[in-house]
Amino acid sequence: DVKVTQSSRYLVKRTGEKVFLECVQDMDHENMFWYRQDPGLGLRLIYFSYDVKMKEKGDIPEGYSVSREKKERFSLILESASTNQTSMYLCASSPLAGGRHNEQFFGPGTRLTVL
Amino acid sequence: AQSVSQHNHHVILSEAASLELGCNYSYGGTVNLFWYVQYPGQHLQLLLKYFSGDPLVKGIKGFEAEFIKSKFSFNLRKPSVQWSDTAEYFCAVNARQAGTALIFGKGTTLSVSS
Repeated sequence: DVKVTQSSRYLVKRTGEKVFLECVQDMDHENMFWYRQDPGLGLRLIYFSYDVKMKEKGDIPEGYSVSREKKERFSLILESASTNQTSMYLCASSPLAGGRHNEQFFGPGTRLTVL
Repeated sequence: AQSVSQHNHHVILSEAASLELGCNYSYGGTVNLFWYVQYPGQHLQLLLKYFSGDPLVKGIKGFEAEFIKSKFSFNLRKPSVQWSDTAEYFCAVNARQAGTALIFGKGTTLSVSS
Protein backbone atom coordinates (compact mmCIF):
# COMPACT_ATOMS: atom_id res chain seq x y z
CA ASP A 1 0.00 0.00 0.00
CA VAL A 2 1.07 3.55 -0.69
CA LYS A 3 2.05 5.34 2.44
CA VAL A 4 2.25 9.08 2.83
CA THR A 5 3.47 10.24 6.20
CA GLN A 6 3.54 13.70 7.69
CA SER A 7 5.95 14.68 10.41
CA SER A 8 3.39 15.92 12.93
CA ARG A 9 -0.31 15.41 13.54
CA TYR A 10 -0.63 18.53 15.69
CA LEU A 11 1.57 21.58 15.82
CA VAL A 12 1.28 24.84 17.76
CA LYS A 13 3.45 27.77 16.75
CA ARG A 14 3.67 31.47 17.53
CA THR A 15 3.10 34.30 15.08
CA GLY A 16 6.29 35.10 13.19
CA GLU A 17 7.91 31.70 13.66
CA LYS A 18 9.30 29.80 10.70
CA VAL A 19 7.43 26.51 10.38
CA PHE A 20 8.46 23.37 8.51
CA LEU A 21 5.95 20.69 7.59
CA GLU A 22 7.48 17.50 6.25
CA CYS A 23 5.93 14.89 4.02
CA VAL A 24 7.41 11.57 2.90
CA GLN A 25 5.99 9.02 0.45
CA ASP A 26 7.28 5.53 -0.08
CA MET A 27 5.98 4.66 -3.55
CA ASP A 28 8.41 6.49 -5.80
CA HIS A 29 5.68 8.85 -6.99
CA GLU A 30 6.72 11.71 -9.23
CA ASN A 31 4.07 14.16 -8.05
CA MET A 32 3.65 15.59 -4.59
CA PHE A 33 1.17 18.18 -3.36
CA TRP A 34 0.43 20.40 -0.40
CA TYR A 35 -3.13 21.46 0.38
CA ARG A 36 -4.81 23.26 3.19
CA GLN A 37 -8.25 22.17 4.29
CA ASP A 38 -10.60 24.63 5.93
CA PRO A 39 -14.28 24.14 6.85
CA GLY A 40 -16.56 25.20 4.02
CA LEU A 41 -13.64 25.83 1.66
CA GLY A 42 -12.63 22.27 0.85
CA LEU A 43 -9.07 21.55 -0.21
CA ARG A 44 -7.05 24.37 -1.69
CA LEU A 45 -3.79 23.67 -3.45
CA ILE A 46 -0.80 25.54 -2.11
CA TYR A 47 2.09 24.11 -4.13
CA PHE A 48 2.91 20.99 -6.08
CA SER A 49 5.97 19.36 -7.53
CA TYR A 50 6.51 17.11 -10.54
CA ASP A 51 10.03 16.14 -9.81
CA VAL A 52 13.00 16.79 -7.61
CA LYS A 53 13.77 20.51 -7.40
CA MET A 54 10.67 21.30 -9.46
CA LYS A 55 7.78 23.26 -7.98
CA GLU A 56 4.64 24.93 -9.21
CA LYS A 57 2.39 27.41 -7.44
CA GLY A 58 -1.11 26.31 -6.69
CA ASP A 59 -4.09 28.50 -5.95
CA ILE A 60 -2.93 29.99 -2.64
CA PRO A 61 0.90 30.08 -2.52
CA GLU A 62 1.22 33.41 -0.70
CA GLY A 63 3.04 33.09 2.59
CA TYR A 64 4.34 29.60 1.77
CA SER A 65 7.33 28.06 0.06
CA VAL A 66 8.31 24.46 -0.64
CA SER A 67 11.38 22.33 -1.04
CA ARG A 68 11.88 19.05 -2.83
CA GLU A 69 15.47 17.93 -2.61
CA LYS A 70 14.67 14.20 -2.76
CA LYS A 71 11.95 12.44 -4.69
CA GLU A 72 10.29 10.99 -1.62
CA ARG A 73 10.21 14.16 0.47
CA PHE A 74 8.26 17.39 0.00
CA SER A 75 8.47 20.12 2.61
CA LEU A 76 6.12 23.03 3.15
CA ILE A 77 7.62 26.12 4.75
CA LEU A 78 5.77 28.96 6.40
CA GLU A 79 8.38 31.71 6.36
CA SER A 80 6.68 33.79 9.06
CA ALA A 81 3.60 32.10 10.45
CA SER A 82 0.45 34.16 10.84
CA THR A 83 -2.83 33.39 12.59
CA ASN A 84 -4.65 33.09 9.25
CA GLN A 85 -2.45 30.11 8.46
CA THR A 86 -4.08 28.11 11.24
CA SER A 87 -5.47 25.15 9.29
CA MET A 88 -5.25 21.46 8.48
CA TYR A 89 -2.42 20.81 6.04
CA LEU A 90 -2.62 17.76 3.81
CA CYS A 91 0.16 16.26 1.76
CA ALA A 92 -0.54 13.96 -1.19
CA SER A 93 1.38 12.10 -3.84
CA SER A 94 0.48 10.53 -7.16
CA PRO A 95 2.18 8.69 -9.99
CA LEU A 96 2.53 10.42 -13.32
CA ALA A 97 1.32 8.08 -16.03
CA GLY A 98 1.20 9.14 -19.63
CA GLY A 99 1.72 12.76 -18.75
CA ARG A 100 -1.50 13.08 -16.79
CA HIS A 101 -2.41 13.01 -13.15
CA ASN A 102 -3.88 9.99 -11.48
CA GLU A 103 -5.31 9.16 -8.09
CA GLN A 104 -3.71 11.09 -5.27
CA PHE A 105 -2.82 9.37 -2.00
CA PHE A 106 -3.11 11.49 1.10
CA GLY A 107 -1.29 11.69 4.37
CA PRO A 108 -3.06 11.98 7.73
CA GLY A 109 -2.73 15.75 7.86
CA THR A 110 -1.08 18.20 10.22
CA ARG A 111 -3.33 20.44 12.24
CA LEU A 112 -1.39 23.66 12.68
CA THR A 113 -2.44 26.30 15.16
CA VAL A 114 -0.70 29.67 15.05
CA LEU A 115 -1.13 31.74 18.20
CA ALA B 1 -10.08 28.36 -15.01
CA GLN B 2 -11.42 25.01 -13.94
CA SER B 3 -13.81 24.85 -11.04
CA VAL B 4 -15.81 22.19 -9.25
CA SER B 5 -19.17 22.82 -7.66
CA GLN B 6 -20.78 20.57 -5.07
CA HIS B 7 -24.40 21.48 -4.65
CA ASN B 8 -24.99 20.49 -1.07
CA HIS B 9 -22.92 21.64 1.87
CA HIS B 10 -24.61 19.37 4.41
CA VAL B 11 -26.93 16.42 3.82
CA ILE B 12 -28.77 14.65 6.61
CA LEU B 13 -30.31 11.24 5.99
CA SER B 14 -31.73 8.34 7.92
CA GLU B 15 -30.25 4.88 7.52
CA ALA B 16 -31.50 3.03 4.43
CA ALA B 17 -32.31 6.26 2.60
CA SER B 18 -30.91 6.74 -0.88
CA LEU B 19 -28.12 9.21 -1.46
CA GLU B 20 -27.22 11.42 -4.38
CA LEU B 21 -24.54 14.09 -4.09
CA GLY B 22 -24.21 16.49 -6.95
CA CYS B 23 -20.95 17.54 -8.59
CA ASN B 24 -20.53 19.78 -11.61
CA TYR B 25 -17.30 20.97 -13.15
CA SER B 26 -16.38 23.66 -15.60
CA TYR B 27 -13.90 22.54 -18.22
CA GLY B 28 -14.58 21.95 -21.87
CA GLY B 29 -11.94 19.32 -22.56
CA THR B 30 -11.38 15.74 -21.50
CA VAL B 31 -11.26 15.18 -17.76
CA ASN B 32 -10.49 12.63 -15.11
CA LEU B 33 -13.05 12.62 -12.28
CA PHE B 34 -12.77 11.48 -8.69
CA TRP B 35 -14.77 11.20 -5.50
CA TYR B 36 -12.87 11.14 -2.24
CA VAL B 37 -14.21 10.50 1.24
CA GLN B 38 -12.93 11.59 4.62
CA TYR B 39 -14.33 9.67 7.58
CA PRO B 40 -14.09 11.42 10.95
CA GLY B 41 -10.48 11.46 12.09
CA GLN B 42 -9.20 9.57 9.06
CA HIS B 43 -7.22 10.23 5.88
CA LEU B 44 -8.84 11.29 2.67
CA GLN B 45 -9.30 8.17 0.59
CA LEU B 46 -10.48 7.44 -2.92
CA LEU B 47 -14.08 6.25 -3.32
CA LEU B 48 -14.07 5.93 -7.10
CA LYS B 49 -12.67 7.44 -10.28
CA TYR B 50 -13.53 7.86 -13.92
CA PHE B 51 -10.93 8.05 -16.65
CA SER B 52 -12.69 6.66 -19.73
CA GLY B 53 -15.11 3.96 -20.89
CA ASP B 54 -18.37 3.12 -19.11
CA PRO B 55 -19.67 6.38 -17.62
CA LEU B 56 -21.18 4.51 -14.69
CA VAL B 57 -18.38 3.68 -12.31
CA LYS B 58 -18.56 1.63 -9.17
CA GLY B 59 -16.44 2.28 -6.14
CA ILE B 60 -15.92 0.93 -2.69
CA LYS B 61 -18.63 0.41 -0.07
CA GLY B 62 -21.49 0.29 -2.58
CA PHE B 63 -20.99 3.78 -4.01
CA GLU B 64 -21.31 4.56 -7.69
CA ALA B 65 -21.10 7.67 -9.83
CA GLU B 66 -22.29 8.56 -13.28
CA PHE B 67 -20.38 10.80 -15.66
CA ILE B 68 -22.74 12.79 -17.88
CA LYS B 69 -20.55 14.69 -20.30
CA SER B 70 -23.34 16.87 -21.68
CA LYS B 71 -24.16 18.10 -18.19
CA PHE B 72 -20.56 18.37 -16.98
CA SER B 73 -21.66 16.29 -14.00
CA PHE B 74 -20.33 13.42 -11.94
CA ASN B 75 -22.92 12.71 -9.27
CA LEU B 76 -22.29 10.24 -6.48
CA ARG B 77 -24.99 7.76 -5.51
CA LYS B 78 -25.69 5.02 -3.02
CA PRO B 79 -29.04 3.20 -2.88
CA SER B 80 -29.10 2.68 0.88
CA VAL B 81 -26.84 4.57 3.26
CA GLN B 82 -25.54 3.31 6.57
CA TRP B 83 -24.57 5.14 9.73
CA SER B 84 -20.93 4.37 8.87
CA ASP B 85 -21.24 6.48 5.70
CA THR B 86 -21.21 9.60 7.86
CA ALA B 87 -18.26 11.52 6.42
CA GLU B 88 -17.22 14.41 4.24
CA TYR B 89 -17.27 13.79 0.49
CA PHE B 90 -15.18 15.65 -2.05
CA CYS B 91 -15.51 15.70 -5.81
CA ALA B 92 -12.33 16.40 -7.80
CA VAL B 93 -11.48 16.99 -11.43
CA ASN B 94 -8.29 16.90 -13.44
CA ALA B 95 -7.98 18.19 -16.97
CA ARG B 96 -6.19 15.66 -19.12
CA GLN B 97 -3.13 17.64 -19.93
CA ALA B 98 0.27 17.43 -18.39
CA GLY B 99 0.81 19.82 -15.57
CA THR B 100 -2.73 20.19 -14.31
CA ALA B 101 -3.39 19.23 -10.72
CA LEU B 102 -6.66 18.06 -9.18
CA ILE B 103 -9.25 20.71 -8.47
CA PHE B 104 -11.44 19.86 -5.48
CA GLY B 105 -14.95 20.95 -4.66
CA LYS B 106 -15.73 22.43 -1.27
CA GLY B 107 -17.07 19.18 0.07
CA THR B 108 -20.40 17.82 1.27
CA THR B 109 -20.85 16.65 4.82
CA LEU B 110 -23.13 13.63 5.07
CA SER B 111 -24.72 12.84 8.43
CA VAL B 112 -26.59 9.54 8.69
CA SER B 113 -28.77 8.89 11.70
CA SER B 114 -29.47 5.36 12.87
